[in-house]
Amino acid sequence: QKEVEQNSGPLSVPEGAIASLNCTYSDRGSQSFFWYRQYSGKSPELIMSIYSNGDKEDGRFTAQLNKASQYVSLLIRDSQPSDSATYLCAVNPYSGNQFYFGTGTSLTVIP
Amino acid sequence: NAGVTQTPKFQVLKTGQSMTLQCAQDMNHNSMYWYRQDPGMGLRLIYYSASEGTTDKGEVPNGYNVSRLNKREFSLRLESAAPSQTSVYFCASSVSYNEKLFFGSGTQLSVL
Repeated sequence: QKEVEQNSGPLSVPEGAIASLNCTYSDRGSQSFFWYRQYSGKSPELIMSIYSNGDKEDGRFTAQLNKASQYVSLLIRDSQPSDSATYLCAVNPYSGNQFYFGTGTSLTVIP
Repeated sequence: NAGVTQTPKFQVLKTGQSMTLQCAQDMNHNSMYWYRQDPGMGLRLIYYSASEGTTDKGEVPNGYNVSRLNKREFSLRLESAAPSQTSVYFCASSVSYNEKLFFGSGTQLSVL
């Protein structure tokens, strides 16, 4: 079982819709969770970090964490074509000494 | 503000050749990392340096060596390149170990 799993997609949503990206992780003791955005041919850049159960909002982005169910999600409201990218979930396990990244979900926002 | 700078951006090697990827950060970060990214595999940690003077193996260290030259610089060396090392390599840094990562622009390496 992989440490972090994401649906590779592609996920397509119309402009203005809500995009929902999901990530599950295997280590129940994981402490910190991050979402990175990666445009094609570019390096990952941090969008959100979340450390405790519940929702965390930043502009059009909302990260949701449910430690009991071992999933973390990213909602993008009012999706824009510029949001088209691959979104990487990263988890820092309690027992580990490194981040584990998911393989990413490809999102396309259709104008 | 340059952030994390990697060189070179592209490199083609023949099997058995050696090379060093250079990375420097100007954000006064304590921790630095080398990742590789392969299709369908996600980002995988090769080596990291939690603080100046220390280095440790990550998930896929075989075939690589690293040097934390000073607080700013962290290099990755391939002693004898193999086709399996064809990948995109990213250097990253963070304020402290396993905090949010800032990535360099990447090196696309092909080993023929």
